[in-house]
This record gives sequence, structure tokens and C-alpha cells, in this order.
Amino acid sequence: AQSVTQLDSHVSVSEGTPVLLRCNYSSSYSPSLFWYVQHPNKGLQLLLKYTSAATLVKGINGFEAEFKKSETSFHLTKPSAHMSDAAEYFCVVRIYNNNDMRFGAGTRLTVKP
Amino acid sequence: NAGVMQNPRHLVRRRGQEARLRCSPMKGHSHVYWYRQLPEEGLKFMVYLQKENIIDESGMPKERFSAEFPKEGPSILRIQQVVRGDSAAYFCASSRGQGLSTETQYFGPGTRLLVL
Repeated sequence: AQSVTQLDSHVSVSEGTPVLLRCNYSSSYSPSLFWYVQHPNKGLQLLLKYTSAATLVKGINGFEAEFKKSETSFHLTKPSAHMSDAAEYFCVVRIYNNNDMRFGAGTRLTVKP
Repeated sequence: NAGVMQNPRHLVRRRGQEARLRCSPMKGHSHVYWYRQLPEEGLKFMVYLQKENIIDESGMPKERFSAEFPKEGPSILRIQQVVRGDSAAYFCASSRGQGLSTETQYFGPGTRLLVL
């Protein structure tokens, strides 16, 4: 069965420093992987997705993620954090022929001035 | 192009009452998904519907919960005889319905249900 593990429940960075949010997945088949962001009391917004094309995926707001099959990872990065990046981030896996998306527990990103 | 619409945004019910949550998918989308987010947790899949059909309800609790997506009108998630444990944020997502695992689901703003 497919699943995702977000290794950090909370990450705190200073504005202008790099962001790394870690995600490992488990899947018997080639997965599709997504990162969503949720701002307080808002819905989820898609940041980026991996669909077996390029392993380095660029998303919105300067975020990118790299699919590493050997490490079963799909970590989210951004070179320089902005205050507006403070939110909850969810790593999501969906496998072929499966109707649901499996969400990680989320990582709360705090950005300090 | 309006996104996924959900209403109400906030809903307060007393134990034993019924809760009805509505979701209008994005224009051109024929597939709807419902998720539940308990406090401090990620989203958990509940049900997947196409127009007039429930495709997958493997995530739905066995009792009190039901969902529909009629030919006309929004999708409805119905919770009968609510209990305090039903308090959560309920998110709806929609997709075009191409049936691909790569297909993006677009999420609504959610309905936050509070059971007193």
C-alpha cells in the first residue's frame, strides 16, 4: 500500500535562508507525488507535482522538489524563505489506478524575521 | 473561472443533529472527492464520486455518513446524528476525470464543522 511520511512535523527557518521539507514515500508502483500548501483557515493549493517526467520539478512561489527513486524521497526545497511561506505543507502520493490520495501528516513551516 | 466552492464555510451543530456540506466542483470537472482533516492531522480520503455514481467510498465511516453527486447541483456530504468526534474540516476536491493518477485535484476552502 502506498503512504507518505513527512519526517518533520515542524520546521522553523529565518527569512532569506533555505527551506527543506522532507518527504519519503512508500509505493509498490510508480507513484505520482504532489506537494500542497495550506495557509491558516484556507483550502489547499497545489505547489507542484511529479508525474514520471523530469525528476526535478519546479513549482510555484520558487519551490521545487526532486524525486529520488533510490531514496524513495520527494523533498521540497526553496532557496530563500519568505514570510508569506509560513503555512502547513502536505506531501501526497497517488498510485496508478487508485482513487484516493494519501496525505502525509503535514509539516508546519514557521519563518522568523 | 471560479474554483471549487464549498458551503457553508463554518457549521455548528449540536449532538444528534444532521450536517449537510455542499461542494460545487470547478467548471468542466465531473469528479468530486471528499476528505476529512482532524485537528493536527493530514487529510484522509473519504469518498470519490462522479455524477450520479459513487466510485469509491472506502474511506467513509460505515454509519451516519453518506455522499451524493446528483446530475444537477452540488455534491452533498451528509452526516446524520453528529457526535463531537465529527468535528473537523471537510474538504472537497474536483478533477476533470481523465482517470489518470497524474491528474491534479483542486481543493475547495473547506467546511469547518463544530459539534457542540
